Amino acid sequence: KAGVTQTPRYLIKTRGQQVTLSCSPISGHRSVSWYQQTPGQGLQFLFEYFSETQRNKGNFPGRFSGRQFSNSRSEMNVSTLELGDSALYLCASSRGGGEGYTFGSGTRLTVV
Amino acid sequence: DQQVKQNSPSLSVQEGRISILNCDYTNSMFDYFLWYKKYPAEGPTFLISISSIKDKNEDGRFTVFLNKSAKHLSLHIVPSQPGDSAVYFCAASRRTLNAGNMLTFGGGTRLMVKP
Repeated sequence: KAGVTQTPRYLIKTRGQQVTLSCSPISGHRSVSWYQQTPGQGLQFLFEYFSETQRNKGNFPGRFSGRQFSNSRSEMNVSTLELGDSALYLCASSRGGGEGYTFGSGTRLTVV
Repeated sequence: DQQVKQNSPSLSVQEGRISILNCDYTNSMFDYFLWYKKYPAEGPTFLISISSIKDKNEDGRFTVFLNKSAKHLSLHIVPSQPGDSAVYFCAASRRTLNAGNMLTFGGGTRLMVKP
């Protein structure tokens, strides 16, 4: 069975630009969560979507947003990019009952 | 406020010996704990989990112990193999109805298994 697919794998953007990352969950998984990994802050929760609704939100500024489509695929958007947004962005999917989180390989975003 | 802590940033063990990775948490509402293994530029890979109603869970070479009174969990790898060299993250969550999926991660421990 296919795993969690994140696209693109690598991305380079300029400060001030915006970016959209995509995540396709495992078939049958209705929950998609996003995490940011940086050397200084470790793995931090961004937000979670379940059945197209944001169910949880981490402590990130409003420049970070997301959405989920009816097929459970999710997108994450970061506007007005800052150098500090350079990170590995990870998506995890699950059925939604609180266990069985499977992570994708991530998107490495570099802001220059 | 770091709710999940892994106080050892690195650990080095000899192949064949036991690796013990530790994790402490402060939030007593956490009721489900997970260990993930991670290689650079890849997503974390699930290893083993434990519910707060248990104090031990075993899966092959991996065993997780939970001490709720001490708010402490540990991952034992026996025997350790060079392929186990990676960064290990513990994570915690609260599995109540409609609470959703939100993992709080520790800072990670880099395990190096020497041949």
